[in-house]
Amino acid sequence: EPEVTQTPSHQVTQMGQEVILRCVPISNHLYFYWYRQILGQKVEFLVSFYNNEISEKSEIFDDQFSVERPDGSNFTLKIRSTKLEDSAMYFCASLREFSSYEQYFGPGTRLTVT
Amino acid sequence: SQQGEEDPQALSIQEGENATMNCSYKTSINNLQWYRQNSGRGLVHLILIRSNEREKHSGRLRVTLDTSKKSSSLLITASRAADTASYFCATVVSGGSYIPTFGRGTSLIVHP
Repeated sequence: EPEVTQTPSHQVTQMGQEVILRCVPISNHLYFYWYRQILGQKVEFLVSFYNNEISEKSEIFDDQFSVERPDGSNFTLKIRSTKLEDSAMYFCASLREFSSYEQYFGPGTRLTVT
Repeated sequence: SQQGEEDPQALSIQEGENATMNCSYKTSINNLQWYRQNSGRGLVHLILIRSNEREKHSGRLRVTLDTSKKSSSLLITASRAADTASYFCATVVSGGSYIPTFGRGTSLIVHP
């Protein structure tokens, strides 16, 4: 069964450094998402992406965040200058049809900012 | 906020028993979804119920929706140790963003 993959599974970085989290969505899906989950808390929406542009973003997704789909398969989330509070699990999700609402989530990348 | 809030926060049962989790929300919804998350893993979509539906079944899962009370319940029948996970409800508001808003989840432990 097709699945969303994410790399790396765990990323440790120092405060102020840039990180890029990578996702490979399911190949025939058209809508892509990033979420984050701070340990023990709820899953929070960051950004949605469709047709090579951001379709929606939350207030969390400020100027230090960016997303890209550089090659038609990978979907990346970049954090330019990480802060301690960026430590969280970051999940990528993809959706085939807008009307289905059924998002497929990747296993997540645990980001630890020290 | 229109986010769902699950109740209870934690539930511990014996294998074979039924597990019931509840979700309450605040505004009109287009649909409500339930997800499972195993420890340290991503979310898995379990079931979606639309606002004009009252009950849906999928295997051992039964979801009900009461729009007058703005609440939903997830029933897992004949639970198994493998059902141990966190369960989240997520609401999609009507007439607004299509992005699901997640609650804090119910942590279910099923003892063998």
